[in-house]
Amino acid sequence: TQLLEQSPQFLSIQEGENLTVYCNSSSVFSSLQWYRQEPGEGPVLLVTVVTGGEVKKLKRLTFQFGDARKDSSLHITAAQTGDTGLYLCAGGNAGNMLTFGGGTRLMVKP
Amino acid sequence: NAGVTQTPKFQVLKTGQSMTLQCAQDMNHEYMSWYRQDPGMGLRLIHYSVGAGITDQGEVPNGYNVSRSTTEDFPLRLLSAAPSQTSVYFCASTRPRHTEAFFGQGTRLTVV
Repeated sequence: TQLLEQSPQFLSIQEGENLTVYCNSSSVFSSLQWYRQEPGEGPVLLVTVVTGGEVKKLKRLTFQFGDARKDSSLHITAAQTGDTGLYLCAGGNAGNMLTFGGGTRLMVKP
Repeated sequence: NAGVTQTPKFQVLKTGQSMTLQCAQDMNHEYMSWYRQDPGMGLRLIHYSVGAGITDQGEVPNGYNVSRSTTEDFPLRLLSAAPSQTSVYFCASTRPRHTEAFFGQGTRLTVV
């Protein structure tokens, strides 16, 4: 069974602060995705990384895939209240199976 | 663009009742799946389908049935609802390239 562990589980910060969320596994994935989920809604795909060492930027969000394709991080610069939500990482492999991490619940206070 | 449509959005059932959660996608994806989301447990896979006529069990299949008669539709049936099935249910349709999932808005189910 492939497992993805996210840390921290909860994060409460002030607007303008930086933060990093981690997603770790002992398994290798062919792709890794990050989703954001707001209350009452389904998860929405933010980004997919597929190459070891790959870095992708989405405005103030920076995503990195580990060299060995077993881990990933999400860094948010100058967090805003609109970044509040549940962040989920998911690893993909052959057969279209996705393994989800437990999620990081982020609260950005004004 | 509709994407993935789930109905109903909310449902209250009595223990022992049965019901069907509907899911439809218009992206022509072969792969569809059902998850349940409980506090502190993340998303857990219930059942999935790799194409019309093909379904398989996920991590937590007990108490649920699925069928896939068309590419578009993937209903989830609760056979005899139990309080342990109180949860939020999400249907997802997956784009095969890089296994990217697109989710419906969810069904919040309460079993009393």
